[in-house]
Amino acid sequence: EPEVTQTPSHQVTQMGQEVILRCVPISNHLYFYWYRQILGQKVEFLVSFYNNEISEKSEIFDDQFSVERPDGSNFTLKIRSTKLEDSAMYFCASRGLGGKNEQYFGPGTRLTVT
Amino acid sequence: GENVEQHPSTLSVQEGDSAVIKCTYSDSASNYFPWYKQELGKGPQLIIDIRSNVGEKKDQRIAVTLNKTAKHFSLHITETQPEDSAVYFCAATGAGGTSYGKLTFGQGTILTVHP
Repeated sequence: EPEVTQTPSHQVTQMGQEVILRCVPISNHLYFYWYRQILGQKVEFLVSFYNNEISEKSEIFDDQFSVERPDGSNFTLKIRSTKLEDSAMYFCASRGLGGKNEQYFGPGTRLTVT
Repeated sequence: GENVEQHPSTLSVQEGDSAVIKCTYSDSASNYFPWYKQELGKGPQLIIDIRSNVGEKKDQRIAVTLNKTAKHFSLHITETQPEDSAVYFCAATGAGGTSYGKLTFGQGTILTVHP
């Protein structure tokens, strides 16, 4: 069964450093998402991406964040200058075209900023 | 924007009992309501969903009901088993139009099924 994959599973970085989180969505999906989950809290939407551009973003997704689909398979989230409060689980999700609403999530990347 | 409230935050049941988790949403334009199960250290797994043109949907031991007028929807798990123990999240989104499917999640319910 196709699934969303994410790398790395755990990333530790120092405050102020840049990180890139990587995702490989399900192959025939066309909508891509990043969500984050701070420990013990609800899952929060960050950004959606369709047709090679951001379609919607939340207030969390400020200028420090960017997304890219550099090739036909990868979808990345970059945080330019990490802050302590960026520590969270980051989930990538993807969705098929048309009336298919189902979003499938990857296993997540745990980002720890020290 | 959409706001989703979920209750209870924790639910403890004996194996074989039923479990019910309830959610309310605020945006009447929302028309798709998925439920996710999240096990420790894993990503949310879609277990069942319902669209606004349907009042109830069932899949084996799991069912979801939707009341559009009251803007609430519920997850029902019958004959619970220890492996049902996890965190369950409800979510809502408006699909189509200007919405690209952004999910708004509830706070989560920690379900514990005791053998």
